Amino acid sequence: SQKIEQNSEALNIQEGKTATLTCNYTNYSPAYLQWYRQDPGRGPVFLLLIRENEKEKRKERLKVTFDTTLKQSLFHITASQPADSATYLCALPMDSSYKLIFGSGTRLLVRP
Amino acid sequence: DVKVTQSSRYLVKRTGEKVFLECVQDMDHENMFWYRQDPGLGLRLIYFSYDVKMKEKGDIPEGYSVSREKKERFSLILESASTNQTSMYLCASSPPMTGQGEQYFGPGTRLTVT
Repeated sequence: SQKIEQNSEALNIQEGKTATLTCNYTNYSPAYLQWYRQDPGRGPVFLLLIRENEKEKRKERLKVTFDTTLKQSLFHITASQPADSATYLCALPMDSSYKLIFGSGTRLLVRP
Repeated sequence: DVKVTQSSRYLVKRTGEKVFLECVQDMDHENMFWYRQDPGLGLRLIYFSYDVKMKEKGDIPEGYSVSREKKERFSLILESASTNQTSMYLCASSPPMTGQGEQYFGPGTRLTVT
């Protein structure tokens, strides 16, 4: 069955630097992959989707890459700010349906 | 903007009680989901529904049931609450697959069973 691996250790970076988070999956390559942001005590919020035929997707300071050979997606936040501190989850479809498998997330801490 | 609301932010129940968690979405989405989230385990799908009165089990349905009598409302029922059901419960909805498949989450209900 498909599994998602995200670094469970928090990523601690200085304000202004680029944060890079990793999402690895173990089995079949999904048709797309999604990234969500979750603040403490809140539900996740959808950020970006990247499809299998897209190498890179950008939205403002966010950039996502998708490497089906490595079975990996990278999530970058450029010019990071303390307000970017949150847990970031990746998710991919469980099969050909609308069900998603979520990673357990990586917590990002941006120091002022 | 899509809005998903959940009936309670915090809930404390006793072992053996029947518990109802309500979720309402205002975007006419066909698909609705119930997850629980526990530290280190991530989001785990309990049940989902792809239409009124239609439901399918997720990964961890044991001890739970659901009801979807109206399109906008999806209820999670704990028939006899147990301490191992203490968790954060998240409801989500999503549009048909013609969209991006993104899910919109409610604020969550933190349930404590004592």
